[in-house]
Amino acid sequence: QVQLVQSGAEVKKPGASVKVSCKASGYTFTSYGVTWVRQAPGQGLEWMGWISAYNGNTNYAQNLQGRVTMTTDTSTSTAYMELRSLRSDDTAVYYCARDLIFWGQGTLVTVSS
Amino acid sequence: DIQMTQSPSSLSASVGDRVTITCRASQSISTYLNWYQQKPGKAPKLLIYGASSLQSGVPSRFSGSGSGTDFTLTISSLQPEDFATYYCQQSYSTPSWTFGQGTKVEIK
Repeated sequence: QVQLVQSGAEVKKPGASVKVSCKASGYTFTSYGVTWVRQAPGQGLEWMGWISAYNGNTNYAQNLQGRVTMTTDTSTSTAYMELRSLRSDDTAVYYCARDLIFWGQGTLVTVSS
Repeated sequence: DIQMTQSPSSLSASVGDRVTITCRASQSISTYLNWYQQKPGKAPKLLIYGASSLQSGVPSRFSGSGSGTDFTLTISSLQPEDFATYYCQQSYSTPSWTFGQGTKVEIK
């Protein structure tokens, strides 16, 4: 069965970077893209971007351009999302998803001094 | 960017009630509209895709309709497990997607 397993919770200081991983199993990794979505506490869902696991093409949300990088490692079927220059309003649960049907369990990233 | 606006932002209803949530797109998106259900602490769950197609395993009391800019999610008879937050999402501008702000369905 399709599974997406994300890395554990992180606590970061403002200005730092965070890299969240999403390990896929149960399907051919390079046949699908991976979408990243985040949700701030008590808020709605925000689409962050998408990466093709086939060729690495990316599409990022405009408000995150320059701060976010999405990559994949096809040898381990793992997708990564790195967010730099963290601010307090980046505090959120970060999800990876395939087709927006299969989702990871979410990774809480807390940005606090 | 395509903006998605849901209404209402919250509603109170009783078990057995018929519930309707609306979603409006800032431009025509044909039927590239999906609906999700999210419960606290959980990832969203796809309910409806293509505006009106029921995702496998989703109860038939859920239905979706609409095209162009105006869409509706209907729960024909609200069940206790349906109390959650519902989001619409456009997939017209794939792979740049946007979500509505959500509608919280609470127990009256």
